[in-house]
Amino acid sequence: DGGITQSPKYLFRKEGQNVTLSCEQNLNHDAMYWYRQDPGQGLRLIYYSQIVNDFQKGDIAEGYSVSREKKESFPLTVTSAQKNPTAFYLCASSLNSGLITDTQYFGPGTRLTVL
Amino acid sequence: AQKVTQAQTEISVVEKEDVTLDCVYETRDTTYYLFWYKQPPSGELVFLIRRNSFDEQNEISGRYSWNFQKSTSSFNFTITASQVVDSAVYFCALGNAGNMLTFGGGTRLMVKP
Repeated sequence: DGGITQSPKYLFRKEGQNVTLSCEQNLNHDAMYWYRQDPGQGLRLIYYSQIVNDFQKGDIAEGYSVSREKKESFPLTVTSAQKNPTAFYLCASSLNSGLITDTQYFGPGTRLTVL
Repeated sequence: AQKVTQAQTEISVVEKEDVTLDCVYETRDTTYYLFWYKQPPSGELVFLIRRNSFDEQNEISGRYSWNFQKSTSSFNFTITASQVVDSAVYFCALGNAGNMLTFGGGTRLMVKP
């Protein structure tokens, strides 16, 4: 089945450690996105990529880094510079059809807890 | 600037009641898209509907219906005869140029048996 997978589902990290969250899609979508969701809040955009080997910062990129070496993969690294990384992280993908806004489809999320 | 407001942070209803979730948006764009997503307790956002700014026809899909009114910048979502499985957080989102989404803060719907 086509879809978006994120791993791991739960992740625990010690303060000062970098950690990488995985996001893979087999929908043949060009665009991919990372969002952060805090309890009781909406989604905030961290990074996005409209095409392979290119990505842009979203609203809250500080303390995060990404890469887009393959169309199907868009890993997110949460660095030790991120002051408050405990949150729920959602990955999404969409076509890049040239329409103003294609529908974004989401993965199951990774819940990161810093101990 | 783009903004989406979901003034109802939490709604509680009894099963079989109808419930309407409000969404008000702000944009200077003349062409835009509006979305609704459902987030069940598992966490994954499930796409429900996408509507472009030129299509003000209401839409009905089973127990779900959507009322888009450009005059009031609103895109409200109604669930008819609610069920316990409808319990979730619902997000309204606005799509602007560049394939970006601006999300509202979400409305938590609790349907009690």
